[in-house]
Amino acid sequence: NAGVTQTPKFRVLKTGQSMTLLCAQDMNHEYMYWYRQDPGMGLRLIHYSVGEGTTAKGEVPDGYNVSRLKKQNFLLGLESAAPSQTSVYFCASSVLSEQYFGPGTRLTVT
Amino acid sequence: AQKVTQAQTEISVVEKEDVTLDCVYETRDTTYYLFWYKQPPSGELVFLIRRNSFDEQNEISGRYSWNFQKSTSSFNFTITASQVVDSAVYFCALSEPNTGFQKLVFGTGTRLLVSP
Repeated sequence: NAGVTQTPKFRVLKTGQSMTLLCAQDMNHEYMYWYRQDPGMGLRLIHYSVGEGTTAKGEVPDGYNVSRLKKQNFLLGLESAAPSQTSVYFCASSVLSEQYFGPGTRLTVT
Repeated sequence: AQKVTQAQTEISVVEKEDVTLDCVYETRDTTYYLFWYKQPPSGELVFLIRRNSFDEQNEISGRYSWNFQKSTSSFNFTITASQVVDSAVYFCALSEPNTGFQKLVFGTGTRLLVSP
């Protein structure tokens, strides 16, 4: 039982490049989330999903897209990376309002 | 809109001191959940507690205790006899009922430094 896993753990991008972050959970949770964590700002919700095939915008969705084609996976895409997207990205899944977090992905955009 | 305020950005204590981390929340909902998460230096987020709005009893778990007061919209966290391993960033969070209490709003966190 791996819980919530994220790949990759680290990534460096140049401005304008694209990439996809993968989140996988093996707990059969319906809800999944993508957050970003920046110094002094806590965790801010980017997008979330209430089930397979559904996604919704969170607090800071601009510049990101998501897809939930399978219940266990939630992908976060950056089409054209910007330095402002340098952050630590956390994925989470939840049941009964308790969220389980992945280990995070540290992304640097130069 | 829901909001969580953790006014203490950073707290430094010496081992064995007691320390309280403050959390104040705003919500128009009568039913909600409150949470505390711990983020140690390794970076992962660890769930500590969930409390629903109808249960105002204080909770104690070992050296950790939580004081929930609806009258002041506060959900404070106390660590008794702190230890170096308690050094971490602690986040308070509030859930929104419009998604079945699945969406969380986080505070900005309090960094706790416990020195030997």
